[in-house]
Amino acid sequence: NAGVTQTPKFRVLKTGQSMTLLCAQDMNHEYMYWYRQDPGMGLRLIHYSVGEGTTAKGEVPDGYNVSRLKKQNFLLGLESAAPSQTSVYFCASRAPLLETQYFGPGTRLLVL
Amino acid sequence: EDKVVQSPLSLVVHEGDTVTLNCSYEVTNFRSLLWYKQEKKAPTFLFMLTSSGIEKKSGRLSSILDKKELFSILNITATQTGDSAIYLCAGGSGGSNYKLTFGKGTLLTVNP
Repeated sequence: NAGVTQTPKFRVLKTGQSMTLLCAQDMNHEYMYWYRQDPGMGLRLIHYSVGEGTTAKGEVPDGYNVSRLKKQNFLLGLESAAPSQTSVYFCASRAPLLETQYFGPGTRLLVL
Repeated sequence: EDKVVQSPLSLVVHEGDTVTLNCSYEVTNFRSLLWYKQEKKAPTFLFMLTSSGIEKKSGRLSSILDKKELFSILNITATQTGDSAIYLCAGGSGGSNYKLTFGKGTLLTVNP
């Protein structure tokens, strides 16, 4: 039982490049979330999903897109990376009726 | 806009000291208050509080919620160097679209 996994662990991009971050969970959770964490800023919600095929915007969605084609996977895309998107990205999931979110190990992204 | 404010932002203590971390919140349709501990990687769940005045305890850690005054505290007694971490507080809001709003965290450093 791996819980929540994220790939890649670390990535360096040049400004304007695109990439996709993958989050996978094996707990059969309905809800999945993408956060970014910047120094001194806590965790800020980018996008979330309440079930397969659904997505919604969070607090800081601009510059990101997401897809939830399969229940166990939640993808975060950057179409044209900017230095302001340098951050650590965390994925989380939770079960219905339970409020605790379980986090993946994070992806460190550096945009030059 | 939902808001969670933690204080202090950082704290340095000696082993054996007792610390109190504070969290105030303004969350629409509030449902729960969660505490997480973050060491080098992913946040790990500590407590969830939904009822006022009830203390949750786990070993040397305890937490209480005041729904009237909209705050929570996390106490750590007899601190150890392994308690050094960022402690995150989050307010949970909403129904089926339940989501967490995080504070910026308190960086606790416990020196030997």
